[in-house]
Amino acid sequence: DTGVSQDPRHKITKRGQNVTFRCDPISEHNRLYWYRQTLGQGPEFLTYFQNEAQLEKSRLLSDRFSAERPKGSFSTLEIQRTEQGDSAMYLCASSPADSVRETQYFGPGTRLLVL
Amino acid sequence: AQKVTQAQTEISVVEKEDVTLDCVYETRDTTYYLFWYKQPPSGELVFLIRRNSFDEQNEISGRYSWNFQKSTSSFNFTITASQVVDSAVYFCALSVLTDSWGKLQFGAGTQVVVTP
Repeated sequence: DTGVSQDPRHKITKRGQNVTFRCDPISEHNRLYWYRQTLGQGPEFLTYFQNEAQLEKSRLLSDRFSAERPKGSFSTLEIQRTEQGDSAMYLCASSPADSVRETQYFGPGTRLLVL
Repeated sequence: AQKVTQAQTEISVVEKEDVTLDCVYETRDTTYYLFWYKQPPSGELVFLIRRNSFDEQNEISGRYSWNFQKSTSSFNFTITASQVVDSAVYFCALSVLTDSWGKLQFGAGTQVVVTP
């Protein structure tokens, strides 16, 4: 059973460029989350998918951010017109849908550096 | 609103010493879930334990143990006989049942440094 995978693991870009990250959750996991982690801080929630439906977005997710999960499997997170403040680790997590609060399993993250 | 506080920024110990990490949480919900995750230098968050608000039974798992006390809103974590491989950042997290989507509220983390 493979875990959550993310691609790329590292991304360096220039300010103003667009970047896209991919997350492949654990198979059969209905729920998928994106978090952002800045240096020295804990992860902060960005957005959540139940299957292909995006059900919640944090205020942290400005208009330059968009996330999709088109077929309820993998997800992409795109940042348009990147800014230096977008430099962070972007973490993806998945969990099975259940009536009981399930554990979220995290991927290795994508480290973004905006120059 | 939920809040998780990990007051210890960094703890340094010598191998074989015990390490206790503090976690204090705030929520008005009566049903909630508490988690500990470990983040080694590679960056991946590794799940360690989950507890719900109705289960105050403390647990020992190998060198790890947890102390959950609702009266003080604390969920502390102890590593017994620490090893160099325990060096990592440890995060305490909270989710509440009234938040249907189960997003996690993390503390700022505690860096554990174990030296030989």
